[in-house]
Amino acid sequence: EVQLVESGGGLIQPGGSRRLSCAASGFIVSGNHMSWVRQAPGKGLEWVAAIYSGGTGNYADSVKGRFTISRDNSKNTLYLQLNSLRAEDTALYYCAGESPTSYGFDYWGQGALVTVSS
Amino acid sequence: NFMLTQPHSVSESPGKTVTISCTRSSGSIASNYVRWYQQRPGSSPTTVIYEDNQRPSGVPDRFSGSIDSSSNSASLTISGLKTEDEADYYCQSYDTSSQVFGGGTKLTVL
Repeated sequence: EVQLVESGGGLIQPGGSRRLSCAASGFIVSGNHMSWVRQAPGKGLEWVAAIYSGGTGNYADSVKGRFTISRDNSKNTLYLQLNSLRAEDTALYYCAGESPTSYGFDYWGQGALVTVSS
Repeated sequence: NFMLTQPHSVSESPGKTVTISCTRSSGSIASNYVRWYQQRPGSSPTTVIYEDNQRPSGVPDRFSGSIDSSSNSASLTISGLKTEDEADYYCQSYDTSSQVFGGGTKLTVL
């Protein structure tokens, strides 16, 4: 059974930083494409960043230059470093995984809530 | 990049059929697969349709997907509506550098 478990959310001041983690079991992070998807309160889903099995990454324009996606293969864990946080970054951040040959997200975590407020 | 546009909300009675559209703003809808997710309140999204019209195991055959090149849109059709189908539904596609979600449609079964 695949499990993705996010952690690291919390209340952060504007301009602050936070690192989110996503620990995977039953699914090899380094062998698959992984993404972070966020959902602001009462709003829709927004893709944030992806890291591909080959190690390269891509970002939504809204976070480019501020967020960094990475992984630790030895820990089978995905990360999202959030810097220069703004109020509009307040959201539930989901970790999502794609199976090989998949063109979307087969597996989702339960989400980590990030609240940016003074 | 392109956008996917969905109606904000739809409502229908139990037992009826509802169709939710997802229109691609630029580029052909047929160029990249479309996936549909269901999200119930307080839960993570789950896939109800993948690769335009494929149903994952465990999803009832009341759910079906299609694409229409003439309108450059994808559609999710749910027949024999049940109260448990009440949820938010999102379409999703991709290009070479990003994933794109539609804005979501709130389905009310009343």
